[in-house]
Amino acid sequence: GESVGLHLPTLSVQEGDNSIINCAYSNSASDYFIWYKQESGKGPQFIIDIRSNMDKRQGQRVTVLLNKTVKHLSLQIAATQPGDSAVYFCAEKAAGNKLTFGGGTRVLVKP
Amino acid sequence: NAGVTQTPKFQVLKTGQSMTLQCAQDMNHNSMYWYRQDPGMGLRLIYYSASEGTTDKGEVPNGYNVSRLNKREFSLRLESAAPSQTSVYFCASSEAGTLRQPQHFGDGTRLSIL
Repeated sequence: GESVGLHLPTLSVQEGDNSIINCAYSNSASDYFIWYKQESGKGPQFIIDIRSNMDKRQGQRVTVLLNKTVKHLSLQIAATQPGDSAVYFCAEKAAGNKLTFGGGTRVLVKP
Repeated sequence: NAGVTQTPKFQVLKTGQSMTLQCAQDMNHNSMYWYRQDPGMGLRLIYYSASEGTTDKGEVPNGYNVSRLNKREFSLRLESAAPSQTSVYFCASSEAGTLRQPQHFGDGTRLSIL
């Protein structure tokens, strides 16, 4: 939303290019990860998830990669479009009910 | 299919006033959550309800109370609002919190405390 992101890292990408958004997670016991997209004035929108028994999962124009060795998660967006401009953040889940959210990366798509 | 609906969308309160934020989901989810989102910070969990009839504290519960009214509805109450509670509040739901299933969010309530 508009209140998020005063100090967010920003990725500027040309329309049509591929985007890669990175996320470092902290808990080696986390076994489930989610990427969310948040547009201004809206709530987080689920994009794609991955379980720790996988290292890659593909959706429509998006791919999530998981590297458990270095506790790193990335989201790749193919052929980035103006509608992809938003804040993206990852979430991790260890035991129990709770997700831990990252601070987010702002993606700006240049025409 | 509306998903998660939050009311109101905007609210301005004076310090010391009370109010209740409403949340309803139509996905037949068991678990519901309340978060706050502040500039430069990730979403922080205030309270959650793993299933109808249960509620538990999250990371930042002080100054808030919740009620799981039924399976669909989960409300958040500020008994005596403080300026530090100025934030954007999001409600979310998931099929079951302990499963590896995503949480689905509403569009938030933007709350300002003067």
